[in-house]
Amino acid sequence: DIVMTQSPSSLAVSAGETVTINCKSSQSLLYSGNQKNYLAWYQQKPGQSPKLLIYWASTRQSGVPDRFIGSGSGTDFTLTISSVQAEDLAIYYCQQYYDTPYTFGAGTKLELK
Amino acid sequence: QVQLKESGPGLVQPSQTLSLTCTVSGLSLTSNSVSWIRQPPGKGLEWMGVIWSNGGTDYNSAIKSRLSISRDTSKSQVFLKMNSLQTEDTAMYFCARNIAFFFDYWGQGVMVTVSS
Repeated sequence: DIVMTQSPSSLAVSAGETVTINCKSSQSLLYSGNQKNYLAWYQQKPGQSPKLLIYWASTRQSGVPDRFIGSGSGTDFTLTISSVQAEDLAIYYCQQYYDTPYTFGAGTKLELK
Repeated sequence: QVQLKESGPGLVQPSQTLSLTCTVSGLSLTSNSVSWIRQPPGKGLEWMGVIWSNGGTDYNSAIKSRLSISRDTSKSQVFLKMNSLQTEDTAMYFCARNIAFFFDYWGQGVMVTVSS
């Protein structure tokens, strides 16, 4: 199975700050056939189901604010949230869909400082 | 609009079989794939398995021997059956639409507690 390792596990931020969440996979998620990285990011708020933010490592889902930016390739990926707002406080998960079983990182909890 | 809704018993006894239903609207199961994903309380997400638009299935090898996913396209329903439940199977169970192997629409989830 592909292991997804996220860091940090939690992050305390103030509104307006820029934050970076890291995700590392145990093997490359870059498929040579189409040069796409099979990596998605989700946001989960308390009591809610996860919400898709980013797919193909850097494509923003429709309706997701442009302060959410996905980047990276191969085994190292980053979710950057610029100018964090109170509504962004949540747990963020990365997920690989390069191979089954699809696997998720353990999550990064974004908290208010 | 696309909606998914899980239903099933909230409490299951150890060693018994869990049966859950995911009822979808706004999409056809003959052209969309649906996965089951679970989340133990306070923990992360585990993909359990998928039923593809062609009716084929794939399962997480960790639970493959206990899991079965099926569907009734006429009723727009996807079913999960998992046997030999243990306390570690206590979790919120979600169904979600697969779009190119990631998940763009999720149900609200159903909490299942395994306890005697």
